Amino acid sequence: RKEVEQDPGPFNVPEGATVAFNCTYSNSASQSFFWYRQDCRKEPKLLMSVYSSGNEDGRFTAQLNRASQYISLLIRDSKLSDSATYLCVVHNQAGTALIFGKGTTLSVSS
Amino acid sequence: DAGVTQSPTHLIKTRGQHVTLRCSPISGHKSVSWYQQVLGQGPQFIFQYYEKEERGRGNFPDRFSARQFPNYSSELNVNALLLGDSALYLCASSLDRVYTGELFFGEGSRLTVL
Repeated sequence: RKEVEQDPGPFNVPEGATVAFNCTYSNSASQSFFWYRQDCRKEPKLLMSVYSSGNEDGRFTAQLNRASQYISLLIRDSKLSDSATYLCVVHNQAGTALIFGKGTTLSVSS
Repeated sequence: DAGVTQSPTHLIKTRGQHVTLRCSPISGHKSVSWYQQVLGQGPQFIFQYYEKEERGRGNFPDRFSARQFPNYSSELNVNALLLGDSALYLCASSLDRVYTGELFFGEGSRLTVL
């Protein structure tokens, strides 16, 4: 089983749509969780951290279910500028390395 | 303030050659990590260096090596290049060894092995 698994993509949605990405991780000892965004041929950048209580940043909502080892990202009212690859990321147990999922590509069209 | 800078941005090598990639972290950051991103995959952890010592190593062969200098910049070396080493090599910096927040990536060095 891969350490971090994500929904296969791509997701093609119209502007204004709501889209959800899911991710599972294998190491129950993981303590920190993130969503990174990567634009085409660019470096990954932190989108948001994911907290046990769930957290929201504008149109973006992240949820964590430790019991199921499941992480989600919800994007509401999609914009053209949201088109990118979204990477689910988990710390290794020591907290010294990030373990990335394969990424899910989102394409928002007008 | 300057972000993480990497050089070269693009390079082409042939099988069997070696390559050196360079990275300068954000000023004040003491930890530098290297990741390999093959097309269509997420980045994969290669090394972490903190205070000039290797603090973590991913599942990569001994052909991969790195070091960190007193000014916290870093080099990644890959010997005996294989076609499969073609990838985007990303350097990332952080304040501390243990990440409690954001990891800052450079734009990467895109290596093509022919």
